Amino acid sequence: EAQVTQNPRYLITVTGKKLTVTCSQNMNHEYMSWYRQDPGLGLRQIYYSMNVEVTDKGDVPEGYKVSRKEKRNFPLILESPSPNQTSLYFCASSSRLAGSTDTQYFGPGTRLTVL
Amino acid sequence: AQKVTQAQTEISVVEKEDVTLDCVYETRDTTYYLFWYKQPPSGELVFLIRRNSFDEQNEISGRYSWNFQKSTSSFNFTITASQVVDSAVYFCALSEWGSNNNDMRFGAGTRLTVKP
Repeated sequence: EAQVTQNPRYLITVTGKKLTVTCSQNMNHEYMSWYRQDPGLGLRQIYYSMNVEVTDKGDVPEGYKVSRKEKRNFPLILESPSPNQTSLYFCASSSRLAGSTDTQYFGPGTRLTVL
Repeated sequence: AQKVTQAQTEISVVEKEDVTLDCVYETRDTTYYLFWYKQPPSGELVFLIRRNSFDEQNEISGRYSWNFQKSTSSFNFTITASQVVDSAVYFCALSEWGSNNNDMRFGAGTRLTVKP
């Protein structure tokens, strides 16, 4: 089954404790991205990756890091989480550039709470 | 810069009523794509439709229909004979062909509640 998986689905942590949210897709997609969803703001892009070893900042990259060592995986790293990073996070992938000829497929979401 | 506005924050209807969710977008590109996603209470994002800027034909899929009008920069979504299972947050999104970061710009979402 074609899918994007994220782990963990729920996480409660404390300020400053490094964490990683994993994202994996089994569709051989080149393009992957991370979004955060906040009430009244919709989804905003954090980082994206056009292919292996190619990553770039989205609209709200501060406080986040990513890596793309393999095509299928695109982890999101919070080196020193802060309460304003409490949010619902989505990973997405598509076979080409977003919207060009394919649709972005989203993971199930990770609800992160930073105390 | 691209922008998507969903002016309706929340809508509440009674089952079997028709409901239209509005979406207005801004873009300077001539080639772009518009999307609708559904987010049920379980939280996942479910793709509903993609429309490119050169195709202004309206689309119907069962009880769902979409009205794309470039003249008013709108891409409205209508649910006919709404059902309780339609209760969700609905997002409209825009992606520009020429975008450097290839992202999808989402509206703030419209929360639809369908009461029995």
